[in-house]
Amino acid sequence: NAGVTQTPKFRVLKTGQSMTLLCAQDMNHEYMYWYRQDPGMGLRLIHYSVGEGTTAKGEVPDGYNVSRLKKQNFLLGLESAAPSQTSVYFCASSYLDGFYGYTFGSGTRLTVV
Amino acid sequence: EDQVTQSPEALRLQEGESSSLNCSYTVSGLRGLFWYRQDPGKGPEFLFTLYSAGEEKEKERLKATLTKKESFLHITAPKPEDSATYLCAVQAPTTSGTYKYIFGTGTRLKVLA
Repeated sequence: NAGVTQTPKFRVLKTGQSMTLLCAQDMNHEYMYWYRQDPGMGLRLIHYSVGEGTTAKGEVPDGYNVSRLKKQNFLLGLESAAPSQTSVYFCASSYLDGFYGYTFGSGTRLTVV
Repeated sequence: EDQVTQSPEALRLQEGESSSLNCSYTVSGLRGLFWYRQDPGKGPEFLFTLYSAGEEKEKERLKATLTKKESFLHITAPKPEDSATYLCAVQAPTTSGTYKYIFGTGTRLKVLA
């Protein structure tokens, strides 16, 4: 009964370093999403996927890349981290295109110094 | 411009003191309105979806209603465990034939014992 699992939960990066955030879901959902949440702002969509092997840009994609090699996994990469990428990152998945709502993971708190 | 506005930003209630949270939206063609609950350090948890004006949904002490311009989340006789941030989101069509989610910035609810 795991739902959506994100790893790691916390990470501190130095400017210019790279890292990958992993999201795994066990609900057989086709759609998966990466959001970032910043104080005073609503959740903003970074990238999303409508199925295995597909990815698409969201509202704030610059500085991020994603891959969906397996249906259950959706990876978010930061190639060269910047302080502006300090945020809490949430992965979500949905049956269909979110018409019935999202299931979110517990988040990754990333600090770039 | 499509927009979702939640009010108030923060709300403090005494245990048992009923109140309402507001989510007003401006979108072209509402497909669905969603309420989520988010506890500190956790991801948003799905509560309700409302699809058409006049619709109502209930869950324990929470009741969500929808009009053509706004939604209310009514909290009846709240308990301290209802303390959380409540997020509203709307799903609306894009010009490219897909759908987008727009999240509000949330209402932080604190219920005092």
